Formats: sequence, structure tokens, C-alpha cells
Amino acid sequence: DTQMTQSPSTLSASVGDRVTITCRASQSIGNWLAWYQQKPGKAPKILIYKASNLHSGVPSRFSGSGSGTEFTLTISSLQPDDSATYYCQRYTSFSRAFGQGTKVEIK
Amino acid sequence: QVLLQESGPGLLKPSETLSLTCTVSGGSINGYYWSWIRQPPGKGLEWIGYLFYTDSTTSNPSLTSRVTISVDRSKNQFSLRLTSVTAADTAVYFCARDSDYGMDIWGQGTTVIVSS
Repeated sequence: DTQMTQSPSTLSASVGDRVTITCRASQSIGNWLAWYQQKPGKAPKILIYKASNLHSGVPSRFSGSGSGTEFTLTISSLQPDDSATYYCQRYTSFSRAFGQGTKVEIK
Repeated sequence: QVLLQESGPGLLKPSETLSLTCTVSGGSINGYYWSWIRQPPGKGLEWIGYLFYTDSTTSNPSLTSRVTISVDRSKNQFSLRLTSVTAADTAVYFCARDSDYGMDIWGQGTTVIVSS
């Protein structure tokens, strides 16, 4: 089964900073990758699908890139509301899996 | 607007069977995959399995022997059965609409505690 590994596990940054989270797949998954934001006590919300496509209504400061085995989620200018845990997820044929999550804290 | 709502018992004893239902409102179950995901307290998300509206299912290899996912189209619902639960199955359980555009709609989640 293809494993998903995120880094870092936690990051702390200031408002206005550019933030990058990396997700690596143990084998190629093409562009079948999504990113989610989860706040405490809430269901996850999708941000990005097919590696780089912004879901409707998601602020444009979020962007995704990559293909194959390495992917990134970038927040171009961190806002207080972005404090959350972010998960990558592969959705290849007949299988899904999440990364372990990256907690983003505001300094 | 499509909404999902999980329902089912919140407390189980070890060895019992967990049964949850996800009701889809505001849209049809047809044409999509429907996933179950869980999150143990303080931990990350774990995909349990999905059902395609044609009744085909796939589940996480680590749970396959205990998982059954089924659909009731007449009620616009799909269900999860997880047998022989232990404390390790204590988690918030989510249902979600799943497609080539990712899991774009989620239920609010339901907490299941396994305790003797």
C-alpha cells in the first residue's frame, strides 16, 4: 500500500509569512492528491484536489503543487484563521490514505 | 446543498459490533463514492473504506476483515459495520462524499467509545 508522509509535523509562523507543507508518497500517485484543513472539534474541509486545483470558495492564498511522489501545500500569507492541522490524502484506484498531519500554529 | 449526517450508538462494549449510518440529504447517492473515515482522540485521520453507488466496496487493508459497507438507496443512506470492536476503535467517525475532486462534503462526525 502506498504510504503518505508529511513534513513537518508542526510548524510555527507569523502572520504574513509564507508557509510550505510537504507530502511524499512512497510510490507515484500521479496527481491524485488532495489537501484538507481541520480545526479542533470540526470535520476536515477540502482545500485542494488533483494536487493543484483550488476547491470552490477556498481563499487564493492556498495553493498546491507537485506530481508523482512529492507535493506541497503553500499558504502565501499566513492569516490567524489558518491555525489548524493540514492533511494530505491520496485517492488512487481502490484506495485512499491520509498523511499524518501538520499542525500550523501562529506565533 | 448536499448534507451528510452520521448516526448510531455512541457507546459499545469490547467484542460488540459498531453500526453507523450516514444519511445523504439534498442530493442523490448515485454517481459518487461514499467514504467512512475515523479519527482516534488526539490522532490523525484514518480512511476506513468506501462504497461506490453501484454497491462495490473497498476498505483499508488493516480493517478489511472486520468492515462491511452497504447502501440503502431507498433511504439515501449508506452504512458501516465494524465487528469485534476494541478500545482501539474509539474514535470520531466521519462519512464523506468522495470523487475525483476529493472528499468535498463531510458529515459533522459522531463519537464512538468502546469501553467495558
